[in-house]
Amino acid sequence: AQTVTQSQPEMSVQEAETVTLSCTYDTSESDYYLFWYKQPPSRQMILVIRQEAYKQQNATENRFSVNFQKAAKSFSLKISDSQLGDAAMYFCAYRRPNDYKLSFGAGTTVTVRA
Amino acid sequence: EPEVTQTPSHQVTQMGQEVILRCVPISNHLYFYWYRQILGQKVEFLVSFYNNEISEKSEIFDDQFSVERPDGSNFTLKIRSTKLEDSAMYFCASIGMNYEQYFGPGTRLTVT
Repeated sequence: AQTVTQSQPEMSVQEAETVTLSCTYDTSESDYYLFWYKQPPSRQMILVIRQEAYKQQNATENRFSVNFQKAAKSFSLKISDSQLGDAAMYFCAYRRPNDYKLSFGAGTTVTVRA
Repeated sequence: EPEVTQTPSHQVTQMGQEVILRCVPISNHLYFYWYRQILGQKVEFLVSFYNNEISEKSEIFDDQFSVERPDGSNFTLKIRSTKLEDSAMYFCASIGMNYEQYFGPGTRLTVT
């Protein structure tokens, strides 16, 4: 089974500042998908961003961007210009190309200070 | 935009009772999943369902659990005899042609 590790249980960021969340994973596959999900207090799981391993270009969605380092098996999420609504638990997730189930990390709680 | 719905949002049950958690996936989706999240822990895969049968299940998904799609729209998770440790948030998800997982809002199950 794939292992996804998020080493930061909690991160705090000042409003309008930038925060980076770390994620590493373990796999022997060469092709796979990586995701960041946001879980606000409502506990709904919301897809933030996805990255295909075969793409060298880092994915970007508005204020959210990733730093995908395939050789290092690292997939960090950068939240720029942090807003109060970004406060949530963020989960990194992995899946293989022919298997749609997701393997999640333990999550990082992001607090945004006004 | 179509979305996955789940009912109830919160279920309280006594240990040993049966519960059925309901999900309505997005209508043209073909793959369906249940995940579980014990409070403060990570989201864990329970079971996947495709073409009216289980395609994969985790070691958590023991004989106390079952899934079915009784009428072509609902997708249910049944726990036959609940235990205290079944208390968790249960998420349903479905996958469409873009292979993205769309999660429902979850059902919080509390076993007392």
